[in-house]
Amino acid sequence: GEDVEQSLFLSVREGDSSVINCTYTDSSSTYLYWYKQEPGAGLQLLTYIFSNMDMKQDQRLTVLLNKKDKHLSLRIADTQTGDSAIYFCAERRYAGNNRKLIWGLGTSLAVNP
Amino acid sequence: GAVVSQHPSWVICKSGTSVKIECRSLDFQATTMFWYRQFPKQSLMLMATSNEGSKATYEQGVEKDKFLINHASLTLSTLTVTSAHPEDSSFYICSVEAGGPTDTQYFGPGTRLTVL
Repeated sequence: GEDVEQSLFLSVREGDSSVINCTYTDSSSTYLYWYKQEPGAGLQLLTYIFSNMDMKQDQRLTVLLNKKDKHLSLRIADTQTGDSAIYFCAERRYAGNNRKLIWGLGTSLAVNP
Repeated sequence: GAVVSQHPSWVICKSGTSVKIECRSLDFQATTMFWYRQFPKQSLMLMATSNEGSKATYEQGVEKDKFLINHASLTLSTLTVTSAHPEDSSFYICSVEAGGPTDTQYFGPGTRLTVL
């Protein structure tokens, strides 16, 4: 995960908006993803964005992509206690026929009542 | 998205034994599955890419004789940890590549392996 960076912790109050940031390094990345992981569970795909898009909104989730700065963010509106989890940013890379996801270390979101 | 299951969800074994973990794609025929390992409070580490009907592609530093992967059908891939040792204790997660333009990966719930 050395090429995808995220802040490790974020704490917000219930009802506030959360913004989780991610930076990546490969300008040829095509898709970028946000996954959510609750304790002891697998990863749940939240949303993804194609690299030619600037923004994508899906209910309470808004993804912003600044391709020039290689910066991706996930905004969660009206954050609830059930949103407490680790959020992973991932970029898709291709090397010939090989394709894989490069992962950030994850941001642990704590939502306080 | 694809629904992925793993079995078992947790396993405890003695050092020196082998453990098999199954990953099933329940509603999707997956030609490609991935196996990851996750240490506590750390990110995912890709171990190998499992291709149906062919040999798995292992990431650098992952011992293929230690972590045997078999992708015998479009819905099942197995990871066998051979001669397990305490340092193999970890959370193992598989994913299915759903194909299409996004090649989105859908994940199983993970298997917690503890080697005593």
